[in-house]
Amino acid sequence: DAKTTQPNSMESNEEEPVHLPCNHSTISGTDYIHWYRQLPSQGPEYVIHGLTSNVNNRMASLAIAEDRKSSTLILHRATLRDAAVYYCILNTGGFKTIFGAGTRLFVKA
Amino acid sequence: GAGVSQTPSNKVTEKGKYVELRCDPISGHTALYWYRQSLGQGPEFLIYFQGTGAADDSGLPNDRFFAVRPEGSVSTLKIQRTERGDSAVYLCASSEVGDTQYFGPGTRLTVL
Repeated sequence: DAKTTQPNSMESNEEEPVHLPCNHSTISGTDYIHWYRQLPSQGPEYVIHGLTSNVNNRMASLAIAEDRKSSTLILHRATLRDAAVYYCILNTGGFKTIFGAGTRLFVKA
Repeated sequence: GAGVSQTPSNKVTEKGKYVELRCDPISGHTALYWYRQSLGQGPEFLIYFQGTGAADDSGLPNDRFFAVRPEGSVSTLKIQRTERGDSAVYLCASSEVGDTQYFGPGTRLTVL
């Protein structure tokens, strides 16, 4: 299973944009890049996913490198409620999913 | 609509006992997943069901762990002869085939 590498933690100020990086150099052509986040004491929740093109939704944007070996989750204006662990995972067809340790995002007021 | 629900929310048991953890997926979701999460770590895949059958159980740590989904909806994760190392949050997720996974709140299992 292809793996991802993320920084252990990042810090942001409230109302500022946050760029969360993810490296996935062994990604295969059929792997979708998914991002989930996990708020304290809750199960993970879906944020966004993409294959090759950049994607936008109401929660975030996903920027995918041209060679697909890295991607960046962009939160346009961080709020205190965005403080969570963010997981970047590769998924082919929605089967076995491998989570790493994720990036813990701290948001300062 | 209703999301994924898991019961109980907390379970405390003694070493050597048997436990059952229940997952009610989102109605109509054919895929169901079980994960285990230890403190400070990401969820660890245990098993994936497609309908009633376990399509991939490669994440089950040993034969003390077993999961069923007899009617293709509710699933039960069963742990025999529990050990202290089994203490963790057990997460369930469901999805339409190949689609986004929706997670439940988890069951926190503590083995004394």
